[in-house]
Order: sequence, then structure tokens, then C-alpha cells
Amino acid sequence: SQKIEQNSEALNIQEGKTATLTCNYTNYSPAYLQWYRQDPGRGPVFLLLIRENEKEKRKERLKVTFDTTLKQSLFHITASQPADSATYLCALASGTGNQFYFGTGTSLTVIP
Amino acid sequence: EADIYQTPRYLVIGTGKKITLECSQTMGHDKMYWYQQDPGMELHLIHYSYGVNSTEKGDLSSESTVSRIRTEHFPLTLESARPSHTSQYLCASSEASAEPYEQYFGPGTRLTVT
Repeated sequence: SQKIEQNSEALNIQEGKTATLTCNYTNYSPAYLQWYRQDPGRGPVFLLLIRENEKEKRKERLKVTFDTTLKQSLFHITASQPADSATYLCALASGTGNQFYFGTGTSLTVIP
Repeated sequence: EADIYQTPRYLVIGTGKKITLECSQTMGHDKMYWYQQDPGMELHLIHYSYGVNSTEKGDLSSESTVSRIRTEHFPLTLESARPSHTSQYLCASSEASAEPYEQYFGPGTRLTVT
């Protein structure tokens, strides 16, 4: 079965720095990879999607890369702010988008 | 803020009781999903629906059942709650076609079975 691994340890960074989160997967060839943000006690919120034939996608301070050879996605938040503190989840989806497989998430804390 | 609602937000119930977790969305989305999430763990898909009268089981085996009689409504039912059902249940919806298959999540129901 597919396995999705995200940074196992919580990530603490100083405000203004770039946060880099990792999502590695095995036993699966997703057509899409998504990133979500989840705050305590709330449902996840969609941030970005990247397709298997795309190397990089940007949205404001967010950047996602997708390397299907390494089976890895990197999620970057530049000029990080304390408000960026949350858990970030990656999710893999098939070509039909009917099923999604989520990672355990990485907890990010941006220190003022 | 997504227009998807779940009730109740918190529920503490005794073993053997029947419960229904409600999920409604006002976006007209055809696809709806139920996930189970334990603290610090990944979301596991337990049920999904492509539209009215369509329901499928997800990868995680669950003793719950779902129904989809109306587009906007996707309730989840446990006939006899057990302590092993204690978890966070998240409902989500997305458009039927076209990328990015963005899922809109509700706030979740935290269920505790004593």
C-alpha cells in the first residue's frame, strides 16, 4: 500500500526565514499532489496543487516542487510569519481525483 | 470560509448507542467525503460519494454507514458506538470534475465513546 512520510519532527524557525517541509511517498504514482494547512480543532484548508508533469508551482509566499523520480515534494514558505504556524499536510490523488491519501503532517512554529 | 457544516462539533456518548454525524454543504458539490483522524495521525478516508444515491467505502475499514439522498447532505451513522470509534471525523466536499480537486473541509466532529 502507499506510504506517505512528512517531516517527523516539528519544525521551529525564526520569523522571516524560509520554512521547507518535505513529503516523501512510496508505492504510488500520484497524478496530483496537494498541500493543506490545518489549525488545531479545524478542518484542513487547501493551499496548492501540483500535477505530476509540473516541477514547480508558486502562490504568493508559497512554493511547491514535485519530483516524481525522487517521489518527493517540497513545500516552501518564504518570509515566514508567526501566523504561518500550523500543521501542513500533503495529500496524493489519483488521476480521477476520487481518492486522496494524506500524510501525517508537519507542525510548523514560526518564532517572532 | 468554506460553506460546509458539521454537527455536533463535540459528542460524548456511551457504548452501544446509535449516533449520526451530520454534514451539509451549500456549494452544490457532487463529491463528498468522510475522513477519520486520530491526534497526530493522518486522515483516513472511510467513505465517499460521487453524487446522490452513490456511496463507496474508503481504504480504512469502518463500521459506519453513510447515505446520500440529497446533494447537500451526507450523514454518517454508527449503529452501535464503541470506545474504538473515539476519533475526530471530518467531512469534505469537492466539485465533481476539473482540477484542482480542492477539498473543502468542515470543522470536524470530535467523538468520544465511553
